[in-house]
Amino acid sequence: GDSVTQMEGPVTLSEEAFLTINCTYTATGYPSLFWYVQYPGEGLQLLLKATKADDKGSNKGFEATYRKETTSFHLEKGSVQVSDSAVYFCAHMTTDSWGKLQFGAGTQVVVTP
Amino acid sequence: DAGVTQSPTHLIKTRGQQVTLRCSPKSGHDTVSWYQQALGQGPQFIFQYYEEEERQRGNFPDRFSGHQFPNYSSELNVNALLLGDSALYLCASSLEKRGYKNEQFFGPGTRLTVL
Repeated sequence: GDSVTQMEGPVTLSEEAFLTINCTYTATGYPSLFWYVQYPGEGLQLLLKATKADDKGSNKGFEATYRKETTSFHLEKGSVQVSDSAVYFCAHMTTDSWGKLQFGAGTQVVVTP
Repeated sequence: DAGVTQSPTHLIKTRGQQVTLRCSPKSGHDTVSWYQQALGQGPQFIFQYYEEEERQRGNFPDRFSGHQFPNYSSELNVNALLLGDSALYLCASSLEKRGYKNEQFFGPGTRLTVL
């Protein structure tokens, strides 16, 4: 069945370090792919998205590229800040799902000064 | 432009009780989805409402039910609460468009604790 797998956390980094969070998916058809971020005590915010193969989503210095051949959508940021400390969720939405999202388990990122 | 709002923010109940959570979608949106997020896990889809009817449902028992009103707002009801129902309940709204570009906007959630 459809699923999303992302690397386990917590990921602990120093400020200005490079961040990568791996995400792979299984889905029928050609899903749209998303990264959501959840700050402590808050709901989910859409960080970026990509709707077709080779699309690159980007926002606030974060990037992710839709790789159909490897069914992956890895999240990257070149220089993290303390304010990037949060839980990051990878998710997909298939074409026949009427907007239903399938989420990964989340990866906690902790950035220290 | 108000985003998705949910009430209450926090709720404490005891086992066996019933609870109702409420959601108002983002202005202009007509579809509401509910998700359960247990501690340390990703959100799990409960069900979705469109045109006042449940259109699709995740793997949740019948104790979980819902409703959508003519103004598109929605309620989630959980009967016979179990300890395992303790979670953050997230509401998401979207505008119905055929295909996969129904971007979901999430509310801040309702934290339910069952004792």
